Amino acid sequence: SQELEQSPQSLIVQEGKNLTINCTSSKTLYGLYWYKQKYGEGLIFLMMLQKGGEEKSHEKITAKLDEKKQQSSLHITASQPSHAGIYLCGADTDDKIIFGKGTRLHILP
Amino acid sequence: DAGVTQSPTHLIKTRGQQVTLRCSPKSGHDTVSWYQQALGQGPQFIFQYYEEEERQRGNFPDRFSGHQFPNYSSELNVNALLLGDSALYLCASSSAGQLYEQYFGPGTRLTVT
Repeated sequence: SQELEQSPQSLIVQEGKNLTINCTSSKTLYGLYWYKQKYGEGLIFLMMLQKGGEEKSHEKITAKLDEKKQQSSLHITASQPSHAGIYLCGADTDDKIIFGKGTRLHILP
Repeated sequence: DAGVTQSPTHLIKTRGQQVTLRCSPKSGHDTVSWYQQALGQGPQFIFQYYEEEERQRGNFPDRFSGHQFPNYSSELNVNALLLGDSALYLCASSSAGQLYEQYFGPGTRLTVT
């Protein structure tokens, strides 16, 4: 079965700094989702990537899917306190989503 | 549009009891998926309902069962609760074949003591 590994597990950055979160799949990705979750709450959809080499941006968040479609990265530029939370990558597999364990992001003012 | 709603918000049950969680999908959506998210983990797929039938199921025991009603709302039932069932239960809705437009509810926090 497909597994997703996220790194790092936890990240603490100073406000204004850039950061990158990685998601590596054990199998080829046919649809890769990035979600954000505030602690103990539901998931907020950020973006979806399908094509190898695809890159999408939303405000200060950019996500890429590598050419081989087995790894994705999420990059935040000039981080803000509002970016704090848990970032989850999910893979579209057989019409359901499997998730990584998440990366916990803390922003220091 | 109210989006995906779930009830109750929080629930405390005793080991061995039974619990029912409820989900109303986003307007226009006909497919409901349920996920269990243990503390510090990513959500794990429990099952998915479409046209009032269970379409897919994850690796969860038969103690976990569900139902979808004609209005597309759904229930998740868990029997013989174990301490390990304590988690955030998330409901997500989508239109059939449009998983990329899956919207998540705020979740129900279940604590089993």
